[in-house]
Parts: sequence; C-alpha cells; structure tokens
Amino acid sequence: DAKTTQPPSMDCAEGRAANLPCNHSTISGNEYVYWYRQIHSQGPQYIIHGLKNNETNEMASLIITEDRKSSTLILPHATLRDTAVYYCIVRVHNNNDMRFGAGTRLTVKP
Amino acid sequence: DSGVTQTPKHLITATGQRVTLRCSPRSGDLSVYWYQQSLDQGLQFLIQYYNGEERAKGNILERFSAQQFPDLHSELNLSSLELGDSALYFCASSVGQGEKTDTQYFGPGTRLTVL
Repeated sequence: DAKTTQPPSMDCAEGRAANLPCNHSTISGNEYVYWYRQIHSQGPQYIIHGLKNNETNEMASLIITEDRKSSTLILPHATLRDTAVYYCIVRVHNNNDMRFGAGTRLTVKP
Repeated sequence: DSGVTQTPKHLITATGQRVTLRCSPRSGDLSVYWYQQSLDQGLQFLIQYYNGEERAKGNILERFSAQQFPDLHSELNLSSLELGDSALYFCASSVGQGEKTDTQYFGPGTRLTVL
C-alpha cells in the first residue's frame, strides 16, 4: 500500500496561504491522492482529489509533482475556521476504505 | 453539511450492553461505510455495504455487526460492550461501490461512551 508522510503540525497566519505537504513516494500510477480535513471531533470533510494534474476547487488547490511522489494542498487565504487536522490519503487500487494516517494539525493564528 | 445523517449524537451505556447506531446516506448514494475513531487508533475502517450487500470488511470485531436496509439506511450494532469501545463512530456514503474515484462523504458521527 502506498503510505503517506505528513508533518504532524503547522501554523499559518490568518489571510495567508497555507501550504500543506504530503509525501507518497510509493504511489502507483493509477492511485489517486485525496485530501480530507477534520475540525475538532466533527466528521471528516472532503476537500479535493487528483491523479496527475493540478486540481482546484472552491476550497483549495492540489499540486501534484510530476513524479507523483509528493503533493501540496494549498488553502489560498486561510481563516481561523480552517484550523483542523488535514489528512492526505492515497486511494489504493481495489481497497474501498480510506486509510487515514495521523494527518497534519494546522493552526491558523490571528 | 455533507447530507449524511447519524443518530444518536451521543450515547452513554454500560459495559456488557448492546447499542445500535443509525446512518442515513446522502440522497442517491448506494454505499455506506462505517469507521471508528478512538484516541489511540485514529480513524479505522470497519465495514462497507453497497446496495444492501456487504462489500468490504476492515478491522471489525466479531461483537460488531452491520446491515443496510432496502431504503439504504444502515445500522451498526455493537454488543457486549467494553470500555475500549468508547469512541467516535462515523458513517460515510458514496455513489458507487467504493472505487478509488468514488468520493466518500462523512456524517457528523456518534460519540459512544462505555462506563
């Protein structure tokens, strides 16, 4: 299974871009990268996913390196409400479940 | 709001008891997934149902069981409860059978406390 490595914690100033890195060096060619976040003990919230190309939606942008061994989730203008644990997940072929790791605890500070 | 609903929000019970957690998926979703989140284990996949049939199984104990009904809602039954079963239980749903492009949307969870 492709595993992911994320820093345990990061800080970001309110209004600035938050760049959350994720390493997935053993990813296979047809495996997708998904990002979720969990705010306090709420249910995980889907953010974005991608395969090869960079993706953008109303919440965030996902930048995947050309070799696909790492990715970065970008929150363009972080707010205090973006304080959460962010999970980077590689969807493994033939596995239906989401394999959540420890994630990155992002704290947005005023 | 993901569109996935779970009841109850909180549940307090005693060791040895049996409880049932309920989940209603988003409109149009055919798959339901159950996850357990405890302090020392993180989010763990338990089981998936697709259109009434069991589709995938994770680290689900034999004391736990689930089912999905014809109206697609699902119930997770936990029996012979132990202190270690205290956790947040999340339900998620998706349109398809769980392929790697099938996005899962999570409900708000049920917090179970076993005393």
